[in-house]
Amino acid sequence: GAGVSQSPSNKVTEKGKDVELRCDPISGHTALYWYRQSLGQGLEFLIYFQGNSAPDKSGLPSDRFSAERTGGSVSTLTIQRTQQEDSAVYLCASSKQGANEKLFFGSGTQLSVL
Amino acid sequence: GENVEQHPSTLSVQEGDSAVIKCTYSDSASNYFPWYKQELGKRPQLIIDIRSNVGEKKDQRIAVTLNKTAKHFSLHITETQPEDSAVYFCAATVSGNTPLVFGKGTRLSVIA
Repeated sequence: GAGVSQSPSNKVTEKGKDVELRCDPISGHTALYWYRQSLGQGLEFLIYFQGNSAPDKSGLPSDRFSAERTGGSVSTLTIQRTQQEDSAVYLCASSKQGANEKLFFGSGTQLSVL
Repeated sequence: GENVEQHPSTLSVQEGDSAVIKCTYSDSASNYFPWYKQELGKRPQLIIDIRSNVGEKKDQRIAVTLNKTAKHFSLHITETQPEDSAVYFCAATVSGNTPLVFGKGTRLSVIA
């Protein structure tokens, strides 16, 4: 079946512009996660959606970052007024119910801020 | 919140030797500890996980051990092969309702 899908795969933007990254999780998965991976770095937690619960936003690095999940399915991560330090791979993952089971990752969006 | 430390950051071994990667966690309530493998240019994939009700789990050439008292867990790869070369991430979480927190990763190189 289809895995986690992310778009675009690559995004080049100018400093100060807003960007939107999209994640389409595996059908039926109620838990969805966003992570950021900088070059040679680990997986930095950003935000976690689980079912109808309020999202855990504790990993968002600044108020320029926001995310939403519509209808319990597709999620959009928005970065406003992008900065060069926002350049990274943004990975989305989903799991059936929660964080204590297998996460399925998307292939990521490579964001480059010039 | 949870904090996961992982070491070493890089590890080189000869083909056929064993590799060990260690992680420590801060939240004593954590009870789920997965390991993910990320090959170059690919997405992370789960290779093995362990829950706090067991001390060791093995799957062919890989095994994970957990010491709850010391709050650390380790990945053991035996008879390493070139295809084991990748970045390995450990992670921990308290429950399904809290996010999975990852370590910074270990780049394993298996030299033929």
